[in-house]
Amino acid sequence: GEDVEQSLFLSVREGDSSVINCTYTDSSSTYLYWYKQEPGAGLQLLTYIFSNMDMKQDQRLTVLLNKKDKHLSLRIADTQTGDSAIYFCAESHQGTTDSWGKLQFGAGTQVVVTP
Amino acid sequence: GAGVSQSPSNKVTEKGKDVELRCDPISGHTALYWYRQRLGQGLEFLIYFQGNSAPDKSGLPSDRFSAERTGESVSTLTIQRTQQEDSAVYLCASSSWTSEQFFGPGTRLTVL
Repeated sequence: GEDVEQSLFLSVREGDSSVINCTYTDSSSTYLYWYKQEPGAGLQLLTYIFSNMDMKQDQRLTVLLNKKDKHLSLRIADTQTGDSAIYFCAESHQGTTDSWGKLQFGAGTQVVVTP
Repeated sequence: GAGVSQSPSNKVTEKGKDVELRCDPISGHTALYWYRQRLGQGLEFLIYFQGNSAPDKSGLPSDRFSAERTGESVSTLTIQRTQQEDSAVYLCASSSWTSEQFFGPGTRLTVL
């Protein structure tokens, strides 16, 4: 079946850039997502990218997609202590008449930002 | 309401009992999803409702799990004869045809 994999932990110093990596196996993925989960808070969509795109930038966030290698990354520029959270990679594929489709998640990457 | 709501926020039950978890989606959202998140793990898809189509039940882990949705409104996830491995946070999400999924705060289920 489909599988999404991520590294489990990343430590980064405040002000540096963070790069979180993800690989997926489903070549029919339509959308790829990055979600953020903070303790005691709900799951927040950070950004998403269509599978026919290579890159998407949104303020401090840059998403890179290598469709050939099925590799997705999220770069956070100028990482702040408020960026400490668990980051989930996810993918979905859209049917012909339905919504963006059910999400297949990775296990999450714990990002710890140190002063 | 403004967002997806779920109730109860916490549920503690004894092994073997049945539980019902409720989800109120965002008004107008035709799609509704249930996911499960075990401690320290990612989210697992359970079931998906889209309008009047037959639900996608492919993620339900056993026949002890079932879900219903009335039209395009409230959904209930039922777990019969709960087991300790059912302990998890159960998350509901809803979406329109043109939007991403918006998640509720989840129900934390603890089976003793």
